[in-house]
Amino acid sequence: DVKVTQSSRYLVKRTGEKVFLECVQDMDHENMFWYRQDPGLGLRLIYFSYDVKMKEKGDIPEGYSVSREKKERFSLILESASTNQTSMYLCASSLYGFNQPQHFGDGTRLSIL
Amino acid sequence: AQSVTQLDSQVPVFEEAPVELRCNYSSSVSVYLFWYVQYPNQGLQLLLKYLSGSTLVESINGFEAEFNKSQTSFHLRKPSVHISDTAEYFCAVGNSGYSTLTFGKGTMLLVSP
Repeated sequence: DVKVTQSSRYLVKRTGEKVFLECVQDMDHENMFWYRQDPGLGLRLIYFSYDVKMKEKGDIPEGYSVSREKKERFSLILESASTNQTSMYLCASSLYGFNQPQHFGDGTRLSIL
Repeated sequence: AQSVTQLDSQVPVFEEAPVELRCNYSSSVSVYLFWYVQYPNQGLQLLLKYLSGSTLVESINGFEAEFNKSQTSFHLRKPSVHISDTAEYFCAVGNSGYSTLTFGKGTMLLVSP
């Protein structure tokens, strides 16, 4: 079974802090994704990566950046956290290809105070 | 462009009753369709997928979905629900023109005794 592990289940940070969310997958997947999930809005794609050091903006990249230095690890960075970034963050991975299902981690519930 | 519409944000049903969760999509090319389930405080899990072939696909826990090209729909059904089916269900679409999936906003299935 594919395992996608997010480093924290719950995280509380302060406005203006630089925040790192880490995600690791163990199935040698090429693609990795970061979403945020908010009530009534579903899943919105922040960034994705289809290879090491490659990244593409999703639907809502503003205020975020990402890093993929190794194939198994994909980091989401909040450069200067703001209260409107309080949300559930979900990481996913998949094999390369548009018909491949995505496998999700359990999510990180981030609160910015 | 591709998009997904889940018409119902919440569907309340009684245990052992049948249920249908509706999903409509729009896409200009051939599509690949997925249903995911999210239990409380967890990430999304793949429930079933349509890639090609038979238009009726089934999951291991009794759910089924039918791909209807003329109506651009992929509704999820179960003939008899259990309390344990209480969860949020997401429909997603992919196609050859996009590197990523597009998710609907989710339908909360609430099963009561």
